[in-house]
Amino acid sequence: QKEVEQNSGPLSVPEGAIASLNCTYSDRVSQSFFWYRQYSGKSPELIMSIYSNGDKEDGRFTAQLNKASQYVSLLIRDSQPSDSATYLCAGSPRGSGNTGKLIFGQGTTLQVKP
Amino acid sequence: EAGVTQSPTHLIKTRGQQATLRCSPISGHTSVYWYQQALGLGLQFLLWYDEGEERNRGNFPPRFSGRQFPNYSSELNVNALELEDSALYLCASSFRQGWSYEQYFGPGTRLTVT
Repeated sequence: QKEVEQNSGPLSVPEGAIASLNCTYSDRVSQSFFWYRQYSGKSPELIMSIYSNGDKEDGRFTAQLNKASQYVSLLIRDSQPSDSATYLCAGSPRGSGNTGKLIFGQGTTLQVKP
Repeated sequence: EAGVTQSPTHLIKTRGQQATLRCSPISGHTSVYWYQQALGLGLQFLLWYDEGEERNRGNFPPRFSGRQFPNYSSELNVNALELEDSALYLCASSFRQGWSYEQYFGPGTRLTVT
């Protein structure tokens, strides 16, 4: 199993709908998780960080962490065409030798159709 | 507040040459991270510098090296360039806050090796 896995998509949703992006992680990943948005040809932009079980909301974005099932999700409410991008899930690997490192999933491409 | 800056934006080198990439972190951030984003391979962790010291490195050969200066800026050196080194090189910075490393990325340097 890869350390951080995402479905590459594309995930297509109509404008105004809720987009749900999912990420699973292995036992080799610790409890710090991050969601980044990357537009084509641009660098990743940090959207959310989540460290505890449960939900964390910021505007239209909600991150959910379920440690028992080892998954992290990102919900985007009222999706806009400008949300069309690749969403990267990242986690911190366990072990003192892995400090500072983030492991990224391959990313899920989201398409929001007007 | 200015974000992470990187230079140059694009760099074209021939195989066997050396490349030097530069990064300035967000003001107040002491940690600098380097990642490689090659086509089809996703974001791969390269190096982490904090307080002028190399703290961790990813699974890359020794010809990838760097340093961090007293003002916390950093440079990445890639020696004996190979064609497969062609990629987007991303620099990120963070406060060093224990295990919660929220990393903020710069715009990247696109390295092309011919």
